[in-house]
This record gives sequence, C-alpha cells and structure tokens, in this order.
Amino acid sequence: EVQLLESGGGLVQPGGSLRLSCAASGFTFSSSAMNWVRQAPGKGLEWVSAISAGGGTTYYADSLKGQFTISRDNSKNTLYLQMNSLRAEDTAVYYCAKVSSGIYRPPIDYWGQGTLVTVSS
Amino acid sequence: DIQMTQSPSSLSASVGDRVTITCRASQSISSYLNWYQQKQGKAPKLLIYAASSLQSGVPSRFSGSGSGTDFTLTISSLQPEDFATYYCQQSYSTLYTFGQGTKLEIK
Repeated sequence: EVQLLESGGGLVQPGGSLRLSCAASGFTFSSSAMNWVRQAPGKGLEWVSAISAGGGTTYYADSLKGQFTISRDNSKNTLYLQMNSLRAEDTAVYYCAKVSSGIYRPPIDYWGQGTLVTVSS
Repeated sequence: DIQMTQSPSSLSASVGDRVTITCRASQSISSYLNWYQQKQGKAPKLLIYAASSLQSGVPSRFSGSGSGTDFTLTISSLQPEDFATYYCQQSYSTLYTFGQGTKLEIK
C-alpha cells in the first residue's frame, strides 16, 4: 500500500523558514517523480514543485522560484521542501504527491494527508 | 504557464442527476488532462487521467472526454458520495496547473 506521510508543518513568523518532509513507502521511491501541491484555507489546489526520480531535475511554479527548494533522499525514501522568506500568502496545507509510473506525462496518483503551514506573527 | 479554467464554479444537483463539468486550457494540451475529486478535509483523489481513462477502482458513472483545449467530466447518475469539489489538472507541461475547482452541492 502506497503511503506518503508529511511532517514539519507548523506556525512560523513572516520571513522565517521551514522544511517539510514526506516519508514514502509501499512503492519504489527511487523510480518515481514527486511533487508538492498546496491548498490555502478555503481555496483551490496550487501546484508548487516537482523533482525527477533521480533528483537531478527540479521544477517550480513561477511565483515560487527562488523561495522554495525541493530535494529528495532516495536512500531514506524521503522528499523535502525547504521554504524560505515565508509570507502570510504561503499559509496552506502542503501535500506530498506521487506521479503515476508508466504513463507519459503522468497524473498524480497518490497524495499524502497534508501538513499545515501557518505563517503569522 | 498553461491556465486552466473550469465551469461552473459551483453546481447544485440532486441524487440521480447527470452532471457535466467543463475545463478549458489556455493552449492545446493534447489529451494530458486529469480530473480529481476532493472531499472536505481530505486529500484529492484521481478519477480520470489522459482525458478519458478511468483510474482503477473509480466507479464507471464517472467519464471524461475532450482533447486539445476543451474537456468535460460527466457523472452519469449522481450518488450521495459524489458531492465534493472537482478539479481538472494539465500534465502536458511539467509545470502542472489546476483549474479553480467546481463545488458540487446537493440541491
């Protein structure tokens, strides 16, 4: 059974930093591209970032480039999101998401339960 | 970035109704369009991928169609558990984008 378990969310002051983690199990993590998607309270889904299976290629939403850094440790089956210079607008539930294997230009087929990040003084 | 626009933003319907939700892309995305269902307080769930392929375990009352820029999600006969918010998402670009969502409510 695929499981994605996010951690690291919490309350942070504006301008602060936070690192989210996502522990993956139930599939071959090192063969799967991974994503982060966020959802502000009462709002829709916003794609944040993606990383290739090997970790050598990363992608970011234009609005977040330079502020967030995605990375992974395939030896630990763990995905990360380093978030810097946080603003109130970054308050959201952050989901770790796995893309489907074996499909060209794949959808997201599994999501974690999400971790809430609140940016407030 | 590719912009995705869904309509309507909200929809009221009754159990047993046939419902259609539309998604339009700002440029051609071939058939790389996916649909998700999200219930309150839960993570999204994949329903349809590649415009018309039903994800394993998803009831056959859900179907998708379209290509290029215009796509639809149809629920043939609404069930009580289908009242949720639905999102389209393009995977044509590696910079994924989502529609703004369609909230399906009970009439």
